[in-house]
Amino acid sequence: DAMVIQNPRYQVTQFGKPVTLSCSQTLNHNVMYWYQQKSSQAPKLLFHYYDKDFNNEADTPDNFQSRRPNTSFCFLDIRSPGLGDAAMYLCATSRDRGGGYEQYFGPGTRLTVT
Amino acid sequence: GQNIDQPTEMTATEGAIVQINCTYQTSGFNGLFWYQQHAGEAPTFLSYNVLDGLEEKGRFSSFLSRSKGYSYLLLKELQMKDSASYLCAVLDSNYQLIWGAGTKLIIKP
Repeated sequence: DAMVIQNPRYQVTQFGKPVTLSCSQTLNHNVMYWYQQKSSQAPKLLFHYYDKDFNNEADTPDNFQSRRPNTSFCFLDIRSPGLGDAAMYLCATSRDRGGGYEQYFGPGTRLTVT
Repeated sequence: GQNIDQPTEMTATEGAIVQINCTYQTSGFNGLFWYQQHAGEAPTFLSYNVLDGLEEKGRFSSFLSRSKGYSYLLLKELQMKDSASYLCAVLDSNYQLIWGAGTKLIIKP
């Protein structure tokens, strides 16, 4: 089945220790998104790739970086995690960015910072 | 600023009907999505409205009024598995998806 896969599902890291979350998709979608979601809050878009074109949200901290080496894979790097970065990180894809193109989400990675 | 408003929490009875409202103020409009999110899981797509009116999909229907900046999600014949958060999201003029915080729906037997 075509899908969005995120690894790991649960990640524990220490304060200040770099961590990388991964996302892969078999849908062959052009757009890939990274969201941060905290409990009972709306998903917050960190950045997205439209094909190889990287789009950073204005309020995304520099501590967060992303790489998309090919169509299928996208990585989220948190260079120096703080306690406030503990959250669910959601990867999503869509065929295009226009209207009518729903986003397909992976199961998420729950990040704990100790 | 851009804003999506939904009730924080609603309670309904199994077998009943519930309507979850969403009002929005955004920079432009290119459609409105409803997603379902079970606790600890990723959102899953429910519906998309870009024109005024009602879209029906099985037990779920979604309504849109662009002039009023208003949508609702109607769930019929509620089942216990419908207990989840329901998120409203609007695609603005830059094709940016603006998300509401979600409505937590609690179903009681």
